[in-house]
Amino acid sequence: NAGVTQTPKFQVLKTGQSMTLQCAQDMNHNSMYWYRQDPGMGLRLIYYSASEGTTDKGEVPNGYNVSRLNKREFSLRLESAAPSQTSVYFCASSVGLRRQVTNEKLFFGSGTQLSVL
Amino acid sequence: SQQGEEDPQALSIQEGENATMNCSYKTSINNLQWYRQNSGRGLVHLILIRSNEREKHSGRLRVTLDTSKKSSSLLITASRAADTASYFCATVFYGNNRLAFGKGNQVVVIP
Repeated sequence: NAGVTQTPKFQVLKTGQSMTLQCAQDMNHNSMYWYRQDPGMGLRLIYYSASEGTTDKGEVPNGYNVSRLNKREFSLRLESAAPSQTSVYFCASSVGLRRQVTNEKLFFGSGTQLSVL
Repeated sequence: SQQGEEDPQALSIQEGENATMNCSYKTSINNLQWYRQNSGRGLVHLILIRSNEREKHSGRLRVTLDTSKKSSSLLITASRAADTASYFCATVFYGNNRLAFGKGNQVVVIP
């Protein structure tokens, strides 16, 4: 199984450009997440989707939008990229069943390195 | 912030030695998890310890949890060069089904 697949792996944008980061998982997970990783900041949650058809803001949602296209796919869109959005973006998924919340571990993709000039 | 905080931030050890890193958090948790990140890769789950557990083992990994001190430690025994990575603790808080990550520990194992 591929697990969590992110595309693209690298992207360079100019300030003001838009783009969509794609994420797909093949583990039949209910929950999906978008994190960004910046030096010295650890991982910060941007948006998450607890189940198909729902999305919620995380810690740093400003400047981003998300779409849970179906159970497999969760995309992250930057409508007008800013240099502050230069980061490594990770998509993750988890089983997401409420009764298993104590066993909720995340499976991560390999990341997208985004530079906004 | 409810994020876990690892201590120390960076550790350099010789192959074969043990590596210990700590994580502290601020509020009551549901569980605490440790992840590893190799350079340029995504995070990989290592071990999960529930709030009612005090110690857990997985291969060369040993995790302890002290809820009275709101802290956890990760011990890697007999380290190998392949253990060179960043290690993150992450916590799940009651009433919140999402993980909050610490800033990470950089561990370098010198062959």
